[in-house]
Amino acid sequence: AQSVTQLDSHVSVSEGTPVLLRCNYSSSYSPSLFWYVQHPNKGLQLLLKYTSAATLVKGINGFEAEFKKSETSFHLTKPSAHMSDAAEYFCVVSRSSNYKLTFGKGTLLTVNP
Amino acid sequence: EADIYQTPRYLVIGTGKKITLECSQTMGHDKMYWYQQDPGMELHLIHYSYGVNSTEKGDLSSESTVSRIRTEHFPLTLESARPSHTSQYLCASSEVGDSPLHFGNGTRLTVT
Repeated sequence: AQSVTQLDSHVSVSEGTPVLLRCNYSSSYSPSLFWYVQHPNKGLQLLLKYTSAATLVKGINGFEAEFKKSETSFHLTKPSAHMSDAAEYFCVVSRSSNYKLTFGKGTLLTVNP
Repeated sequence: EADIYQTPRYLVIGTGKKITLECSQTMGHDKMYWYQQDPGMELHLIHYSYGVNSTEKGDLSSESTVSRIRTEHFPLTLESARPSHTSQYLCASSEVGDSPLHFGNGTRLTVT
């Protein structure tokens, strides 16, 4: 069994300040973890992916996430928010070689000027 | 730039109508998926396919059906639409193994 909990449904930051989007997961197996971003009226786009290599994963647009097995967390961070980062972010867990992904409910990121 | 295309982007229809949501990808991916997305909720898998002539139901029960006659095409059909089918439907594809998904821009369906 696997599950994902995104701890904040909405995060609001000012432009130029750090971003932290929190994700905890549960998995009976060694998981693969993903962050996807969805801009308004668009499909989801992969930000980054963890698959048991380096625990700190760098993604597109300056985002990165750290896999912490002891805390079962995979939080997404960015040092400095940009207006274009305003979107919904989904944390996703999957069992390796399994076709099925489990999505979190999403975190809406608002960036204020 | 999207290599997976969904049409129509928006659809408003009356109850009882038959509809088909189209999804095509140009990447040669064997695996394709349909997800249902409602505001503030996680995405729910309603159908998936391993390849041509292979389709399976997902985690969320759905009255829709799918077909996979060609690798690049994975249409979803509702024989008789109801207001409860109002939602956004996202199509995705991926390569074999644990590859990430490529999503289309979605079809937002409203049944009146």
